[in-house]
Amino acid sequence: NAGVTQTPKFRVLKTGQSMTLLCAQDMNHEYMYWYRQDPGMGLRLIHYSVGEGTTAKGEVPDGYNVSRLKKQNFLLGLESAAPSQTSVYFCASSLTLGPPRIFGPGTRLTVL
Amino acid sequence: SQKIEQNSEALNIQEGKTATLTCNYTNYSPAYLQWYRQDPGRGPVFLLLIRENEKEKRKERLKVTFDTTLKQSLFHITASQPADSATYLCALNKAAGNKLTFGGGTRVLVKP
Repeated sequence: NAGVTQTPKFRVLKTGQSMTLLCAQDMNHEYMYWYRQDPGMGLRLIHYSVGEGTTAKGEVPDGYNVSRLKKQNFLLGLESAAPSQTSVYFCASSLTLGPPRIFGPGTRLTVL
Repeated sequence: SQKIEQNSEALNIQEGKTATLTCNYTNYSPAYLQWYRQDPGRGPVFLLLIRENEKEKRKERLKVTFDTTLKQSLFHITASQPADSATYLCALNKAAGNKLTFGGGTRVLVKP
């Protein structure tokens, strides 16, 4: 039982490049979330999913897309990276409706 | 707009003493309030959830209070230990919703 894993752990992009962050959970959780965390600010919800095949916008969805083709995976895509997307990205999951219970270790993304 | 405030200054405390953290909110009527712990370079770890109709909740050495009149939650760590050193985040959400709004966190440093 690995919990929530995130790939990659670190990444440096140039402005305009694209990439996909992968989140995987092996706990059969229905709900999955993507957050970003910036210095001095609280975690902010980007997108979330309430089950396989569903996605919904969070607080700061612009510039990001997500997909949940399989229940255990939640992908976060950046089509054209911008320096403002430099951040630490956390994925989280929960079994039931409510606060995210299990967070992944994070992906540190730098956009130059 | 909704605002959650946590003391951004680090709390330095002697081992064995009680650490008390504050979470204040404005323009918000949360039904649930959560506290998380976050260690450097790691994802948040869920600690406690308290509902709006609960005044106090305890878990081992942790105690949380929720005062909807004062719009404030207090988080206490009793008999603090150096291993309690971390950043503590509060987060709020409305009933039946899972979109959390996080505070910026307060760093706690317990000195032996």
